[in-house]
Amino acid sequence: AQSVTQPDIHITVSEGASLELRCNYSYGATPYLFWYVQSPGQGLQLLLKYFSGDTLVQGIKGFEAEFKRSQSSFNLRKPSVHWSDAAEYFCAVAPGNTGKLIFGQGTTLQVKP
Amino acid sequence: GAGVSQSPSNKVTEKGKDVELRCDPISGHTALYWYRQRLGQGLEFLIYFQGNSAPDKSGLPSDRFSAERTGESVSTLTIQRTQQEDSAVYLCASSGQAFSGNTIYFGEGSWLTVV
Repeated sequence: AQSVTQPDIHITVSEGASLELRCNYSYGATPYLFWYVQSPGQGLQLLLKYFSGDTLVQGIKGFEAEFKRSQSSFNLRKPSVHWSDAAEYFCAVAPGNTGKLIFGQGTTLQVKP
Repeated sequence: GAGVSQSPSNKVTEKGKDVELRCDPISGHTALYWYRQRLGQGLEFLIYFQGNSAPDKSGLPSDRFSAERTGESVSTLTIQRTQQEDSAVYLCASSGQAFSGNTIYFGEGSWLTVV
């Protein structure tokens, strides 16, 4: 069965430091991959998505993610974290092509001043 | 509307009662999805609609859960004989078509508490 694993439940980084959130997926073929952010009191917002082509994907708010087929990973990165990035981040895979998403458990990001 | 709208935003109900949660998708979006998010957990897929039909209901937890959509617009998720484990945020999302290339837009959810 398809699944998504986010190994880190909670991460704390200092403002201005770099960030990497890990995501591993289980799926037979190359899936569609997504990262979403959920801020308190707000709905989920799409940060970026990967379908094919260039394995380094740029998203909004200065985020990027790299698809590595050999590692079945799609890690999210940001060079310099801002306090406003504190939120919960979800990696998701869309097996098949129906738009249906399977989400990881999420990683809560805390940013220290 | 401008975004996916869900109502009620908060609902407290007694165990055993039925509840209905409503979703108004973005105007013109033909695909509509329901997810459940329990406290501290990820999102669980429940069901999706393409138009008024539901090709995939595989995520509905039990026969107490049902959903319908009419007029390729509003959808209602109904939970009968609610149980405490049904307490969660129920998120609705929509997209132009049920295709993974289309961005899915989420509503802010309906918080359900069963006491």
